[in-house]
Order: sequence, then C-alpha cells, then structure tokens
Amino acid sequence: DIQMTQSPYTLSASVGDRVTITCRASQSISGWLAWYQQKPGKAPKLLIYDASSLESGVPSRFSGSGSGTEFTLTISSLQPDDFASYYCQQYNSSPLTFGGGTKVEIK
Amino acid sequence: VQLLESGGGLVQPGGSLRLSCAASGFIFGTYAMSWVRQAPGKGLEWVSGISGSGGSTYHADSVKGRFTISRDTSKNTLYLQMNSLRAEDTAVYYCAKGPRGVVGAYYYMDVWGKGTTVSVSS
Repeated sequence: DIQMTQSPYTLSASVGDRVTITCRASQSISGWLAWYQQKPGKAPKLLIYDASSLESGVPSRFSGSGSGTEFTLTISSLQPDDFASYYCQQYNSSPLTFGGGTKVEIK
Repeated sequence: VQLLESGGGLVQPGGSLRLSCAASGFIFGTYAMSWVRQAPGKGLEWVSGISGSGGSTYHADSVKGRFTISRDTSKNTLYLQMNSLRAEDTAVYYCAKGPRGVVGAYYYMDVWGKGTTVSVSS
C-alpha cells in the first residue's frame, strides 16, 4: 500500500495568512493526487484533483502543486471559512489511501 | 447531484448491517462509486469501490471477506453489506462518486454524501 504522510498535523494561522500543507507519498504517484477540505460533522469536499486542477466552484485562493512523491496545498490568503481539516488522497494504485489530515486552526 | 446514505445504527460485534446510498442528479450507472469511512476523531479510510457497470469490485484488506459492495442501477442505489462486524468498524460511512470517465479502481471522489453512522458495541 502507498502511505501518505501529511505535515504539519496542526497549523495555527490568522486570516490573511498564506498557508502551505505538505503531503508525501511512500512511492511515486505521478500526479494522481487529490485534496479535500472537511469541516466538523460534515462530509469531505473536493478542492484539487490531478495535483493541481482546481475543482469547479472552489475559490482560486486554493492551489496545488507537486508530482512524484511530494505535493503541496496552498491557501494564498486564509479566510474565516477555511478553518477546517485538509486531507490528501492518492489514486495511483489500489487501495486508495489518504493522508492523516492537517487541521488549520485560528491563531 | 446528491447522495443520501441510510442504514446505519448500533449493532453487536459479529452482527450484520446493510448500508444504502440513494443517488440522484446524474446517470448512476456510468460512474464508479466508493464507500469511505471515518472512525471517531480519525482520518479517512477507503473501504470499497465498484465500477459503473458493477462488474468489478474492490475492497480494502481490512474488510475483505466481510464486506460486499454492490449496486442496483434500476434503483439508483449503492449498497454495502457488512458482516462479522467488529468494534474497529465503528465509523461514519460515506458514499462517494468517482469522476466522469473512470473505468478502473483508481480515482478521486468529486461528490460525497452526508454519511451514516455505524456503531459496533455490545
């Protein structure tokens, strides 16, 4: 199985901050990576797919980059609605696997 | 596009449960579907997936031999039959849809249901 490791586990930031979350794969997954946002008690929401493609309707302050084993999700200017948990997911091979998550908290 | 799960509840260890996911707003039979779960306070874990035709199914090792995914295109409904349930199966179970054009087991999930809660306890 491909292991997905996210860092940091928790991130404290202020509105307006630029935030970066990292996701590392235990082996190359090319660009087959997605990012999701999840708020407490809610279902995950797709933000980014194919490492850098923005899902329709997602604000442009979200962006993704990377390939191979290292990927990043960047929020260019953190908004109040962005305080949530974020997960990466690889779909290069089965089983589909997720990172452990990053919680973005208010500083 | 909407997915609505049902069938969760409290069950004793060793028991069975069948989850359902009613789909609407898209041509159900042409999209791969998955079940993903989240244990209390934990991250996301893919459980099972099925091709658009239903001809191919995939299961995580943690549930292989105990869970079975299936779909009824005439009812626009996805199912997860869960047998021999264990305490570690306690989680919110989400139904999720694959994107357009996926034929295999490898995909991201672009639409998620709200989830149904399964608790396994004596």
